[in-house]
Amino acid sequence: GNSVTQMEGPVTLSEEAFLTINCTYTATGYPSLFWYVQYPGEGLQLLLKATKADDKGSNKGFEATYRKETTSFHLEKGSVQVSDSAVYFCALREGSGTYKYIFGTGTRLKVLA
Amino acid sequence: DAGVTQSPTHLIKTRGQQVTLRCSPKSGHDTVSWYQQALGQGPQFIFQYYEEEERQRGNFPDRFSGHQFPNYSSELNVNALLLGDSALYLCASSPSWGDDEQYFGPGTRLTVT
Repeated sequence: GNSVTQMEGPVTLSEEAFLTINCTYTATGYPSLFWYVQYPGEGLQLLLKATKADDKGSNKGFEATYRKETTSFHLEKGSVQVSDSAVYFCALREGSGTYKYIFGTGTRLKVLA
Repeated sequence: DAGVTQSPTHLIKTRGQQVTLRCSPKSGHDTVSWYQQALGQGPQFIFQYYEEEERQRGNFPDRFSGHQFPNYSSELNVNALLLGDSALYLCASSPSWGDDEQYFGPGTRLTVT
């Protein structure tokens, strides 16, 4: 079946460091891909999305490119801030007229001042 | 503009009991999805409601059922509770059926003893 695999956390970085959180997926058809973020004490929020191969989603300095050849959707940010500390979830929405979402297990990011 | 609201915030039940969780979608949204998030895991899709009908369902037993009302609010019912049903239950709403955007509520923490 379809699945999403994320790198295990926690990831601890110093402020202004470069961030990469790896995400790979297994899916039939052409899924849409998403990154959600969960800040402490808050609900999940959509961070960015990409709906087809080679699309790049971006928001708040974060970017991810839909790579069909490597079935990946890695999240990157050039310079993280303390306020980026959160749990990040990679997710896919199955294509072909179905709208089931599959989430990864989440990666906790801690940014130190 | 109120976001997605869920009630109650916390709930403690005994094995074998039944529970009902409630969700009010974001204003203007007509599609509601429910997820189960076990501790340290990503959300798992339970089902999705649109036009008062269950449109999609994940791999959950029939003990999990739901309902959507004409005002688009929704309930999740779980019968014959098991210890393994202890989790955070998340509701998400979308502007329309098939829309990529999901807005999550803060969740209901269910503990089964």
